[in-house]
Amino acid sequence: EAGVAQSPRYKIIEKRQSVAFWCNPISGHATLYWYQQILGQGPKLLIQFQNNGVVDDSQLPKDRFSAERLKGVDSTLKIQPAKLEDSAVYLCASSRDPGNYGYTFGSGTRLTVV
Amino acid sequence: DQQVKQNSPSLSVQEGRISILNCDYTNSMFDYFLWYKKYPAEGPTFLISISSIKDKNEDGRFTVFLNKSAKHLSLHIVPSQPGDSAVYFCAASSKFGSQGNLIFGKGTKLSVKP
Repeated sequence: EAGVAQSPRYKIIEKRQSVAFWCNPISGHATLYWYQQILGQGPKLLIQFQNNGVVDDSQLPKDRFSAERLKGVDSTLKIQPAKLEDSAVYLCASSRDPGNYGYTFGSGTRLTVV
Repeated sequence: DQQVKQNSPSLSVQEGRISILNCDYTNSMFDYFLWYKKYPAEGPTFLISISSIKDKNEDGRFTVFLNKSAKHLSLHIVPSQPGDSAVYFCAASSKFGSQGNLIFGKGTKLSVKP
């Protein structure tokens, strides 16, 4: 079974610029998550999708972050404009259903905002 | 306010000995707990979980113990191997919250010395 694919692996941008991350979940996994992991912290949920609908985006800073999951498969997470405090690893994860907590994470995208 | 706390940032253990990683939580609504393992430049990998209706779950060298009255869980690794060297995250969830949303601790870096 192929894992969760994320790109790019690394991104460096200047503050106020925009950036987008892409995620391709495991085939057949209906639930997709985006987590933000700041250095020295545990991952924090940004948004959860069930198929192409949003289940939970309560911790997503909606003034600058947006996410979509087209056709219930791939997903993109965008930041516009970026701030210094957005520097983090952005992790995508997927699972077959929302009750399955042992979900699979991708390797993440490390974002550095300078 | 951290709902899941891992108070030891690091732990060093000799190969063959027992590793004990600890985790405390504050939210009494949590009913499912997991441990994830993370190697550098990779996403977290699910290791083992336990439901609040149990006090112990075992999988090979890994055992998780849950003490609900103390709001404390621990992960035991016996015997420890150098390949176990990684960051271990404790995570918790509640069926009364958004399904699938995991609250992570800050992690404990385990070093197993040959």
